Amino acid sequence: EAGVTQSPTHLIKTRGQQATLRCSPISGHTSVYWYQQALGLGLQFLLWYDEGEERNRGNFPPRFSGRQFPNYSSELNVNALELEDSALYLCASSFFGSPISNTEAFFGQGTRLTVV
Amino acid sequence: AQSVTQLGSHVSVSEGALVLLRCNYSSSVPPYLFWYVQYPNQGLQLLLKYTSAATLVKGINGFEAEFKKSETSFHLTKPSAHMSDAAEYFCAVSGLGSGNTGKLIFGQGTTLQVKP
Repeated sequence: EAGVTQSPTHLIKTRGQQATLRCSPISGHTSVYWYQQALGLGLQFLLWYDEGEERNRGNFPPRFSGRQFPNYSSELNVNALELEDSALYLCASSFFGSPISNTEAFFGQGTRLTVV
Repeated sequence: AQSVTQLGSHVSVSEGALVLLRCNYSSSVPPYLFWYVQYPNQGLQLLLKYTSAATLVKGINGFEAEFKKSETSFHLTKPSAHMSDAAEYFCAVSGLGSGNTGKLIFGQGTTLQVKP
């Protein structure tokens, strides 16, 4: 069974540009989560989508946005890129509501975004 | 507010020695607790989780952790370190309350070095 897949693996953008990151969840999972892992800042929760709706959002500016498609895949968009947005962006998927519903969240390999 | 503190950003052990990675959490009610491992340039892999069943939790690769409510701790141990255990380890707590629904709150991570 395929795990969580993210694309691209690496992405280099110029400050001010927009970046689009993609995530395909494990088959049967309806929830998708996005985390940012920036150097020195640890893993920070960005967004949670389930059944096409945004369920929760972390403490990030509005230029971080996303959506979930009918097939449960997801996109993370980062507008007006800043140097500080350089980080590893991890996507995870689960059945609804993990971890509070006692189901495991599986993580992808991540997209390394570099803003120059 | 919920938080996770991992004591020691770097831990170094000799191959065959005991591994002890410390994690303390802050939560108003007993949460779900997790340990994840991250190998270089990879995503997160779940080692084990505590979900209010047995307080001693056994995970993959010989790791285990004990939930101690009185100490608000969830330390990770392995009796005998292997070179392949060298990685970064993250302790996480399930988010509780309306603002934290669906998310994991991570500690800052501990890098485990295993010396031959």
